[in-house]
Amino acid sequence: NAGVTQTPKFQVLKTGQSMTLQCAQDMNHEYMSWYRQDPGMGLRLIHYSVGAGITDQGEVPNGYNVSRSTTEDFPLRLLSAAPSQTSVYFCASSYRTMNTGELFFGEGSRLTVL
Amino acid sequence: GNSVTQMEGPVTLSEEAFLTINCTYTATGYPSLFWYVQYPGEGLQLLLKATKADDKGSNKGFEATYRKETTSFHLEKGSVQVSDSAVYFCALITAGGTSYGKLTFGQGTILTVHP
Repeated sequence: NAGVTQTPKFQVLKTGQSMTLQCAQDMNHEYMSWYRQDPGMGLRLIHYSVGAGITDQGEVPNGYNVSRSTTEDFPLRLLSAAPSQTSVYFCASSYRTMNTGELFFGEGSRLTVL
Repeated sequence: GNSVTQMEGPVTLSEEAFLTINCTYTATGYPSLFWYVQYPGEGLQLLLKATKADDKGSNKGFEATYRKETTSFHLEKGSVQVSDSAVYFCALITAGGTSYGKLTFGQGTILTVHP
């Protein structure tokens, strides 16, 4: 099973460039989310979605856009990259009734903004 | 709001040593508590969980007990192996219809085990 697949694994951008981090899951999960991981700060929620056509902001949404046109895909867009967005990004998914707290994570995308 | 505090790392141990990683939390309502593990180059995966006070979660030799009176969920293992080297995250979620996976994570503790 593929699970949660993220691409690319590594990316270097210049300040002001745009890019999209891709995330796809094959588990028919309704819930998908994006986190960023920074040293000493754990994981912080950027955006999440509880189903196709429904998205909402997390803790640190500024500078990022998302959309959810299908159940499988949840891309994260950086419209104008800034050095503060240098981080490791994780996509995660789960069943809609998420009170169990179990998220399935991708392997991460390491982004460097120069 | 919710918050999770983990002991400062990194933690370095010899193989077969006893491991404790402290975790305390602040939460509104009645949280469920989790430990996630991140092996090098991989995403996080659920290690164990506990959903109510005095519950003990266990998996792969790791244990953690939900202590409501001390708001703690410390991770323990009696004899660590080199393969346990990873980053460990404590996390919580508060129950409710709109929780939808809004886990609150601690900052992570790096564990290195030497042969």
